[in-house]
Amino acid sequence: AQTVTQSQPEMSVQEAETVTLSCTYDTSESDYYLFWYKQPPSRQMILVIRQEAYKQQNATENRFSVNFQKAAKSFSLKISDSQLGDAAMYFCAYRNSGNTPLVFGKGTRLSVIA
Amino acid sequence: GAVVSQHPSWVICKSGTSVKIECRSLDFQATTMFWYRQFPKQSLMLMATSNEGSKATYEQGVEKDKFLINHASLTLSTLTVTSAHPEDSSFYICSARINSKVNYGYTFGSGTRLTVV
Repeated sequence: AQTVTQSQPEMSVQEAETVTLSCTYDTSESDYYLFWYKQPPSRQMILVIRQEAYKQQNATENRFSVNFQKAAKSFSLKISDSQLGDAAMYFCAYRNSGNTPLVFGKGTRLSVIA
Repeated sequence: GAVVSQHPSWVICKSGTSVKIECRSLDFQATTMFWYRQFPKQSLMLMATSNEGSKATYEQGVEKDKFLINHASLTLSTLTVTSAHPEDSSFYICSARINSKVNYGYTFGSGTRLTVV
C-alpha cells in the first residue's frame, strides 16, 4: 500500500520569508499524482498544487512551488513570500492513476509570524 | 465549477440515534465519492468509496453496518451514521473525483462536524 510521510508536525515562518514543507512517499507504481492541500481553520480542503509523476518539470502556482524528486520519492512544497493567510494545516497527498482515492500524510501545521 | 455541497455543516445528536450526511455534486456528475473521517489535529482517513449504483467499498476496520453509504444518483451520495455513540464524534468529509481532461483533481465538501452526546 502507498504511504505518505510528513516528518514536520509544525513549522513556522516569518512573514515575507520562504518556507519548505517536506513530504516523502512510498509506492511501486510508475504512474501517479501528488498533491499539496491546505486546510485552514474552516477545515475546507483547498488544493494548493499538483504534480504528475511523468512530468519532470516541477509544478509552480504563483508563490507555491514543488521540488519533485521521483527517484528519491520526495515531494516538498516551497512557499515564497509567506503571508499571514498561508497559516494552515498542509497535507501532502498521493493517488494512483485511475479512479482511486487520495492517501494523505499526517500534515504539517504552518504558522506565519508577523 | 466542480462544487460538492455537503450538509449539514455540524450536527449534535443523542447517543443511539442516526444521522445522515449528504454530499451533492452541483455542477458535475460524481460517479465516485470518497468518504473521509478526520479526528482533531489528525489527517484524513479514508472510510469508504462509493460508486453510483453499486455497493460501497469499505476500508479495513470501518463497520459497514454502522456507516451506511448510499450513492443512488450521479449527484448525491449519503453517509448515515447509525446508532451513533460518542466515539463516532468526528469531522466527516466527502470528496469526488472530477472527471475532466483539464482537471484531474478532486473536490471536497466543506465537511460535517458530528458531536454525539
